[in-house]
Amino acid sequence: QKEVEQDPGPLSVPEGAIVSLNCTYSNSAFQYFMWYRQYSRKGPELLMYTYSSGNKEDGRFTAQVDKSSKYISLFIRDSQPSDSATYLCAMSGGSYIPTFGRGTSLIVHP
Amino acid sequence: NAGVMQNPRHLVRRRGQEARLRCSPMKGHSHVYWYRQLPEEGLKFMVYLQKENIIDESGMPKERFSAEFPKEGPSILRIQQVVRGDSAAYFCASVLRGLSNTGELFFGEGSRLTVL
Repeated sequence: QKEVEQDPGPLSVPEGAIVSLNCTYSNSAFQYFMWYRQYSRKGPELLMYTYSSGNKEDGRFTAQVDKSSKYISLFIRDSQPSDSATYLCAMSGGSYIPTFGRGTSLIVHP
Repeated sequence: NAGVMQNPRHLVRRRGQEARLRCSPMKGHSHVYWYRQLPEEGLKFMVYLQKENIIDESGMPKERFSAEFPKEGPSILRIQQVVRGDSAAYFCASVLRGLSNTGELFFGEGSRLTVL
């Protein structure tokens, strides 16, 4: 079993839809949870990070962490074609080394 | 303020040659990570360095791979005697402060290695 599981997709949605992206993990030591966005042929860029369980909102993006279920989510409201990218979850604990999921490819079509 | 700079962006090598990938962190950042990305596997950690010190190299293959971050100059990931399986995108990321769990890694655009 991989430490971080993420469905690679692709996930295709119409413009304006609410998108839900998810990751599960097995390492209970993980305390910090991040979401990165990666456009084709570019480096990942940090979207959001959260510490421990709970929700965090930033504009159209909401990150949720449920440590009891070892499950994290990223919601994107009013999705736009410019949101089309690969979304990577990442998490870290005492090692200070983020472990990444393999990424979910999102396609938002007009 | 320039971001993380990686070069070369694209590198082609024949089997058995050496590949050297360079990474200049963001100004003021003293720690860098190297990750390798393959289409089916996502980002895989390789090594975590600060200037003149390797903090964690648990993700580095035991042979042919080495990394350094000298007091002056960029961090270098060196792959000796490359094989086709080394073909991948190699990403460098820097952090403002070491040993931070906030996830604020700033990535470069990557170096894409193709081994013929």
